[in-house]
Amino acid sequence: DAKTTQPTSMDCAEGRAANLPCNHSTISGNEYVYWYRQIHSQGPQYIIHGLKNNETNEMASLIITEDRKSSTLILPHATLRDTAVYYCILLSNFGNEKLTFGTGTRLTIIP
Amino acid sequence: GAGVSQSPSNKVTEKGKDVELRCDPISGHTALYWYRQSLGQGLEFLIYFQGNSAPDKSGLPSDRFSAERTGGSVSTLTIQRTQQEDSAVYLCASRKGGTAGFFFGQGTRLTVV
Repeated sequence: DAKTTQPTSMDCAEGRAANLPCNHSTISGNEYVYWYRQIHSQGPQYIIHGLKNNETNEMASLIITEDRKSSTLILPHATLRDTAVYYCILLSNFGNEKLTFGTGTRLTIIP
Repeated sequence: GAGVSQSPSNKVTEKGKDVELRCDPISGHTALYWYRQSLGQGLEFLIYFQGNSAPDKSGLPSDRFSAERTGGSVSTLTIQRTQQEDSAVYLCASRKGGTAGFFFGQGTRLTVV
């Protein structure tokens, strides 16, 4: 069972920052927050992950609250190619578990 | 290779036939996963291999489904006596371990007619 909850869908204007929330109130101390996205008919693509500090890479930023019960993925300047389903997932650092996907957020970038 | 490779990319088969789907993980990745995704649905976990440990087969939908991983690298997912409800995209992912992320292949689209 997925341990995260996300809004079913969101819209964002092209060029604006897209902020995708995720709740994970039962997160345990050794679980990392991972974000993936799936563009239509393609395999899921890794975006970013973090434990408790905010993270940034060339694709996105990840903001994790101090209590770690929620996080936000930020796409700073959304483009039409960012239209996809975005998944927030928890994984421990033991490296011996399966990745369970919830329903994700369908993000639509509006021209 | 640079990424996870799956073959074939598309497969059309007749109901009742057996099919084999192949996954080549990223070199050095110890964990390998199979998922399937029916049209418009989420990703459904099928099976998971981690190193030399016994695989986690808890997601296989029936005994017509099986998978093996030879030499800790290439994996084959076999579906026997295919049914129309087996039609889906079958995705493979590999992971190095620790906190490394999962990397997915582009999938095999299976159509049973």
